[in-house]
Amino acid sequence: QKEVEQDPGPLSVPEGAIVSLNCTYSNSAFQYFMWYRQYSRKGPELLMYTYSSGNKEDGRFTAQVDKSSKYISLFIRDSQPSDSATYLCAMSAVEGSNYKLTFGKGTLLTVNP
Amino acid sequence: KAGVTQTPRYLIKTRGQQVTLSCSPISGHRSVSWYQQTPGQGLQFLFEYFSETQRNKGNFPGRFSGRQFSNSRSEMNVSTLELGDSALYLCASSAGTGGSPLHFGNGTRLTVT
Repeated sequence: QKEVEQDPGPLSVPEGAIVSLNCTYSNSAFQYFMWYRQYSRKGPELLMYTYSSGNKEDGRFTAQVDKSSKYISLFIRDSQPSDSATYLCAMSAVEGSNYKLTFGKGTLLTVNP
Repeated sequence: KAGVTQTPRYLIKTRGQQVTLSCSPISGHRSVSWYQQTPGQGLQFLFEYFSETQRNKGNFPGRFSGRQFSNSRSEMNVSTLELGDSALYLCASSAGTGGSPLHFGNGTRLTVT
């Protein structure tokens, strides 16, 4: 079983739709959860950063973490064509001073005008 | 604040050659991590350096090596290039404390022919 599973899509939605992106994980030691957005020919850009279970909202984006189910989600409200990108979930555990991010493989999202 | 800078952006090398990639982190960040991104495997962790010491290492062969300088700038070297080394190599910097989010550069696209 992979440590982090993410549906690769592709996902195609009309402009204005609510988008739901999800990841599941198996390592219960993961404590920090992130969502990155990656445009073509660019590096991943940090979108959301959360610690522990619960919701975090930033503008049109809401990140949700359910540690009991080992499930995280990213919701995009009023989606725009500029949201078209690959979305990567990432998570990390901390062991002493060492940590590394484990990424999902990414979901390709297209928002059609 | 300037972001993470990677040079060069594109490289074409021949099988058997070696290559060195460079990364300048965000000012004040002491941790630099390197990732390989391919369509099939997604983002895979190579190694992390903190204060000139390799603190964490992924599951890559010894042909992949790196170093960090006293100004936190980092280089990654790949020797005896193979066709399978063709990928986007991403550098990311962070404060280096547990759970600190990573901030990525735009990567170096390496093509091995």
